[in-house]
Amino acid sequence: GENVEQHPSTLSVQEGDSAVIKCTYSDSASNYFPWYKQELGKRPQLIIDIRSNVGEKKDQRIAVTLNKTAKHFSLHITETQPEDSAVYFCAAYRFFFGNEKLTFGTGTRLTIIP
Amino acid sequence: DTEVTQTPKHLVMGMTNKKSLKCEQHMGHRAMYWYKQKAKKPPELMFVYSYEKLSINESVPSRFSPECPNSSLLNLHLHALQPEDSALYLCASSQDGGQGGSPLHFGNGTRLTVT
Repeated sequence: GENVEQHPSTLSVQEGDSAVIKCTYSDSASNYFPWYKQELGKRPQLIIDIRSNVGEKKDQRIAVTLNKTAKHFSLHITETQPEDSAVYFCAAYRFFFGNEKLTFGTGTRLTIIP
Repeated sequence: DTEVTQTPKHLVMGMTNKKSLKCEQHMGHRAMYWYKQKAKKPPELMFVYSYEKLSINESVPSRFSPECPNSSLLNLHLHALQPEDSALYLCASSQDGGQGGSPLHFGNGTRLTVT
């Protein structure tokens, strides 16, 4: 089955600096890669996603890059703000034989230091 | 506003109790999910309903019983749970599964404590 590794597990950055979280996946058939943000005590929320036919996607301060050959994808947050503090989960999706499977990474706890 | 509504928010139950978790969405999504989340861990898939049919059961113990009465509602019936089943139970929906994948919309979850 799919295996998604996520690094680092914790990350602290000064407010205004950039943060990068990296994920690798094992199944070359995975074709959709969402990122979820989960604030303490709240539900996971999609912040950005990318499909396998695209190499990069940007939404304001957030960007995701995908390297299909190397099977890794990364989340980039620029000009970090205190409200960016949360746990971030990457995920990889594949569809096979009528079933779908979304595999989450283990999560990164991001702390923005004011 | 949360587009996926879960009730109750909190639930404490004994090991001999029977209870149900409820989930509702009105976005016209055709796939609905139950996830279990332990502290500091990612959500763990339990069940998937696609077009009101159970399509995935991730080898979940029979003390958890899902039900999808219609395309907007999803229930999780609980019976004879163990203390290790204490967790945050998240419901989610998506436009459609299929080959493309689509974003999950999570509810706020039910915090379950089994005593």
